[in-house]
Amino acid sequence: EAEVAQSPRYKITEKSQAVAFWCDPISGHATLYWYRQILGQGPELLVQFQDESVVDDSQLPKDRFSAERLKGVDSTLKIQPAELGDSAMYLCASSLARGDEQFFGPGTRLTVL
Amino acid sequence: GEDVEQSLFLSVREGDSSVINCTYTDSSSTYLYWYKQEPGAGLQLLTYIFSNMDMKQDQRLTVLLNKKDKHLSLRIADTQTGDSAIYFCAEKAGGGADGLTFGKGTHLIIQP
Repeated sequence: EAEVAQSPRYKITEKSQAVAFWCDPISGHATLYWYRQILGQGPELLVQFQDESVVDDSQLPKDRFSAERLKGVDSTLKIQPAELGDSAMYLCASSLARGDEQFFGPGTRLTVL
Repeated sequence: GEDVEQSLFLSVREGDSSVINCTYTDSSSTYLYWYKQEPGAGLQLLTYIFSNMDMKQDQRLTVLLNKKDKHLSLRIADTQTGDSAIYFCAEKAGGGADGLTFGKGTHLIIQP
């Protein structure tokens, strides 16, 4: 069964360090999303890609966060420098096309010390 | 702005029906979703309903939508211990936005 893959599953870092998360969507899915889920909250959209282009990054803190999907397949989300408040689960989701059902990966749990 | 509200906890006895409620504010919502999240895992889509429908049934799951009151519910019949999880209500707004707006989730606790 096709799944969204994410790595690493867990990441512990110190504040001011750089971290990066990787997502491989379901094969053939053109739309990719990154969400952030703070403990006790629902996920919040950070950025959406359609193929290699950013569709929506209005909620991405651009002073420290960046995201890319260079070849329109897998994607990387980077935080530099990490802050204590960035501790959260980072979820990647993909859909076949815009507006279609979103399938979520297992997430990367980030702890910033 | 968009807002989705849910109760934080629901406790039911095994074998009973569970009803999880959700309210939303965006009247332009096109689709409404229910996701399940088990500890340490990602989100699993359980079911969804289009905004022009008022009910959808899928095996043990029944979704009811009251668009006038902006109220959505998920009923799980014959609740089992494996149903223990956090259930998220989410809406997809109209106007071309694709990102989902989630509630804070309802922890479903199953009593033996």
